[in-house]
Amino acid sequence: QVQLVESGGGLVKPGGSLRLSCAASGFTFSDYYMSWIRQAPGKGLEWVSYISSSGSTIYYADSVKGRFTISRDNAKNSLYLQMNSLRAEDTAVYYCARSGDGYTFDYWGQGTLVTVSS
Amino acid sequence: EIVLTQSPGTLSLSPGERATLSCRASQSVSSSYLAWYQQKPGQAPRLLIYGASSRATGIPDRFSGSGSGTDFTLTISRLEPEDFAVYYCQQLTFGQGTKVEIK
Repeated sequence: QVQLVESGGGLVKPGGSLRLSCAASGFTFSDYYMSWIRQAPGKGLEWVSYISSSGSTIYYADSVKGRFTISRDNAKNSLYLQMNSLRAEDTAVYYCARSGDGYTFDYWGQGTLVTVSS
Repeated sequence: EIVLTQSPGTLSLSPGERATLSCRASQSVSSSYLAWYQQKPGQAPRLLIYGASSRATGIPDRFSGSGSGTDFTLTISRLEPEDFAVYYCQQLTFGQGTKVEIK
């Protein structure tokens, strides 16, 4: 069965960095777009970034452009999110999600919490 | 950037009633990429509807989606106790959500 497991969350100070990982299993990872979506405490969902199956196409939300970098390693069935210059408003649960068309997310991980605070 | 606006913010209904949730886009969007998700507290979202009107795998037929252009609707024909949750429409970006709560 499809499984997505995020890791790497934690407490970081403003201006700090963190790298999130998402381990995928149960499907052919290299066939799918992948995205990161976040949810601040008590708030709605915010799409953060997506990467095409080959990694050749990448998009970011304006709120993270220039600070976050998405990448993938198809040999390791893994998705990554490098987060730099973190701000308090980046505090959220970060989900990785699978997409067949880049837009619709059919499987989600359980999320990893990132807290940015001094 | 397309902005999706959902209404109402909260819907208070009883089990067995019909729920109608609205999603309006700031400009015309492709129906192929309009989706609806359900989220319960402490859980990841679950895909309900994709392509505006197609049910995802395992989704009961009491859930239906419709619409095109800028106006889309999610209908739950008869609310079951497990349907009380927050619902989001999405076309890459997400609407702000509609909470369906027990009246």
